[in-house]
Order: sequence, then C-alpha cells, then structure tokens
Amino acid sequence: DGGITQSPKYLFRKEGQNVTLSCEQNLNHDAMYWYRQDPGQGLRLIYYSQIVNDFQKGDIAEGYSVSREKKESFPLTVTSAQKNPTAFYLCASSLSGEVSTEAFFGQGTRLTVV
Amino acid sequence: SQKIEQNSEALNIQEGKTATLTCNYTNYSPAYLQWYRQDPGRGPVFLLLIRENEKEKRKERLKVTFDTTLKQSLFHITASQPADSATYLCALSTGGFKTIFGAGTRLFVKA
Repeated sequence: DGGITQSPKYLFRKEGQNVTLSCEQNLNHDAMYWYRQDPGQGLRLIYYSQIVNDFQKGDIAEGYSVSREKKESFPLTVTSAQKNPTAFYLCASSLSGEVSTEAFFGQGTRLTVV
Repeated sequence: SQKIEQNSEALNIQEGKTATLTCNYTNYSPAYLQWYRQDPGRGPVFLLLIRENEKEKRKERLKVTFDTTLKQSLFHITASQPADSATYLCALSTGGFKTIFGAGTRLFVKA
C-alpha cells in the first residue's frame, strides 16, 4: 500500500532532551512537510522540503531541525530549545510543492514532555 | 492581518439533513482552497479542492462553493450520516508550497 508513515504514534520526552520523529513515504512525492497541531488552532508549518537535500523554514521553525537525505524520508528533531514541544505533529507529502495538489498526511505523533 | 476562520462551535445535525460548514478568510487572494476531514487522533484526509476560477465543485454527497468576492467557502454534506461525524478543516493556498489551515469545525451527526 502506498502511503505516508509516521512513528512512533506516542512519544514522551524529558526536559532538555532532543527527540526525533520519523516520517517515511512511498508515494514518490517530491514535497514533504511538517506541521504542528495544538488544540483549537490550525495546523502550523514547521519545515518543508521541495526536493532532496533542500528544505526551508516554515512559520514556527525555532527549536526544530530536519534533514532530507532521501526522497522517502523527512525526519523532524525536536530540540531542547523548543520551549513548548507538547503537541500533535503531522507529516505530509504532495506530488510537488509548486502546483496545487492535495497533501497526504501521516497518522501523527503525539509528543508529551514529562 | 491574514486570517482564516472556521466556526469554532460544533455543528450538531440530525441524520439525513444537509450539513453546511463555513470558511471565511481575510487579506488573502487564494489560488485554491481545499477541504480535509480529520478524525480524533488521526491525520487529515483530503476531500476536495476548488480553484479560484471555479464556483462550485461536487464529489458524491459533498459540495464546495468558493466566492472570492465574499471571501468565503461553504462545504456541504447532503444526506448526512453518523459516519460523517468528524472535524473538517479548510485550507487556503496562494500558490506554491504555502498552505494555511483553519482550526476546523467539529460536526456531529445524530442517528
């Protein structure tokens, strides 16, 4: 089955730790995105990548980092610099970032700071 | 400032009725608009896309309208069913990578 897979589904982080969220897609999509969703708010863009080895900051990139070494993979690291990391994180992909195409989302990772 | 607004109050309707959800925006000139469905604890699922030069788009029981003068999109589900209960997200794009999502409206369909 083609799709986009996020792991883990639930993640707990201690204060001061870095954690990495995985996102893999087998849709052969060029563009990939990371969003953060908080209760009562719309999805906010953290980072996006339109092509391998290239990525750009979104609206709330501070405290996060990404890499795009392979077309299929776009991991997100939540660093200790992110002061309020507890949220629901969503990864998405689309055929291209330059034309109006639908986004395919993963099932999300819920990150909780303990 | 740029804003995209969806009714934050949940919409409760009876099975078989038509559900109508509203998406209003300000200070955008969107090239296209999308609607997604999101179930609790899951990622959004794409439903429909409508472009700025289209007035209406239909897919099975779903219908979307796009009025660039009113800066509004309406999303209709006809003959609603309890399985349609979910949160529906509106998303605007001005072209390119940037898509702005609304906070969503929760729909409850009672049997």
